[in-house]
Amino acid sequence: GNSVTQMEGPVTLSEEAFLTINCTYTATGYPSLFWYVQYPGEGLQLLLKATKADDKGSNKGFEATYRKETTSFHLEKGSVQVSDSAVYFCALSDLGDSSYKLIFGSGTRLLVRP
Amino acid sequence: EAGVVQSPRYKIIEKKQPVAFWCNPISGHNTLYWYRQNLGQGPELLIRYENEEAVDDSQLPKDRFSAERLKGVDSTLKIQPAELGDSAVYLCASSTGQAYGANVLTFGAGSRLTVL
Repeated sequence: GNSVTQMEGPVTLSEEAFLTINCTYTATGYPSLFWYVQYPGEGLQLLLKATKADDKGSNKGFEATYRKETTSFHLEKGSVQVSDSAVYFCALSDLGDSSYKLIFGSGTRLLVRP
Repeated sequence: EAGVVQSPRYKIIEKKQPVAFWCNPISGHNTLYWYRQNLGQGPELLIRYENEEAVDDSQLPKDRFSAERLKGVDSTLKIQPAELGDSAVYLCASSTGQAYGANVLTFGAGSRLTVL
């Protein structure tokens, strides 16, 4: 079956540090991959996505590259800010699954200290 | 443009009581989803609607959970009777239902249920 595995949090960084949140997936078909972010008290928001191998999604300084050979979609940011503190979810949607549903990882909490 | 609106934001009930959650999706979004998010976990799909038709309810515990989407717009998710294990955040999302790569879900802020 399809699944997503994320690194456990919390991840605690100082402002301007480099961020990596690991995400690997298992899929029976050809998935699209997503990163969603959940700020305190808010709903999940799409951060970035990639629909095929070697695609790079980017938004707000965050990047993730779809690596089919390693089944990974790691989230990176060169210099984090306090405002990036949130919970980050990796997710996939499988082309072979016509329900269009998203399958989420368990989330990684990021805490950025000034 | 208003996003996905959910109510109530918070609900505390005693076990065996009924509870209902309401969702108003983004205008024009034909596809509506209900997800459940347990503490410290990612959301899990309960049910998906295409207009007024439930097309995927395989994960909905039908003995106590029910949902409806009358007229293909607003939706209600009901639990009766509630159990302690139902404590979670119930998320509603909507999308245009396009091909998978473009099918971006927009989520509401969620309804946090606590069952005592």
